[in-house]
Amino acid sequence: EDKVVQSPLSLVVHEGDTVTLNCSYEVTNFRSLLWYKQEKKAPTFLFMLTSSGIEKKSGRLSSILDKKELFSILNITATQTGDSAVYLCAVPNTNAGKSTFGDGTTLTVKP
Amino acid sequence: GAVVSQHPSWVICKSGTSVKIECRSLDFQATTMFWYRQFPKQSLMLMATSNEGSKATYEQGVEKDKFLINHASLTLSTLTVTSAHPEDSSFYICSARNRGRGNEKLFFGSGTQLSVL
Repeated sequence: EDKVVQSPLSLVVHEGDTVTLNCSYEVTNFRSLLWYKQEKKAPTFLFMLTSSGIEKKSGRLSSILDKKELFSILNITATQTGDSAVYLCAVPNTNAGKSTFGDGTTLTVKP
Repeated sequence: GAVVSQHPSWVICKSGTSVKIECRSLDFQATTMFWYRQFPKQSLMLMATSNEGSKATYEQGVEKDKFLINHASLTLSTLTVTSAHPEDSSFYICSARNRGRGNEKLFFGSGTQLSVL
């Protein structure tokens, strides 16, 4: 059975801090890992990672994948209150077509 | 960018009634749509996979007669909660995959908050 584990489950920081969110996985037929941000309702796409060691970056957010050790990290630098959200990690099962989601990391950024 | 529209955004109903939730891909064709249930402060729990023109595939423990899924076109999937009871109260959310290349990215609807009295 595919498994995706995120840590920590929750995190409280102050504005300006840097955070690192972790996602480890055990899946068959791995092809990609995706990160989403869920604020109030719909999760929105952040990154899709397919290759090891290649950092994807978007503003203050960046992510990298390690296919040997089976994990990914999501970094957020200079956090802002608007970064407060649940961050979800997902790995698609290419055979079944569905994605396995981690339990999410709830990030709270205090002013 | 790809947009998925989900309606209604919230619904209150009496116990025993049925509720239909719609999920539409507005600017792309979605061969596959997914339905999730999400409890407060928990992650998305996949209920079923909906494929256009075929029967939905339900996850273990999800009653297919209770949660009816129809995916009649490449842009519309519906979830009907039949004979709803208070324990069905939850946040339901759909997602869709684009038919085109690189279709592992999911586009999510804004969710439906169901409250059964």
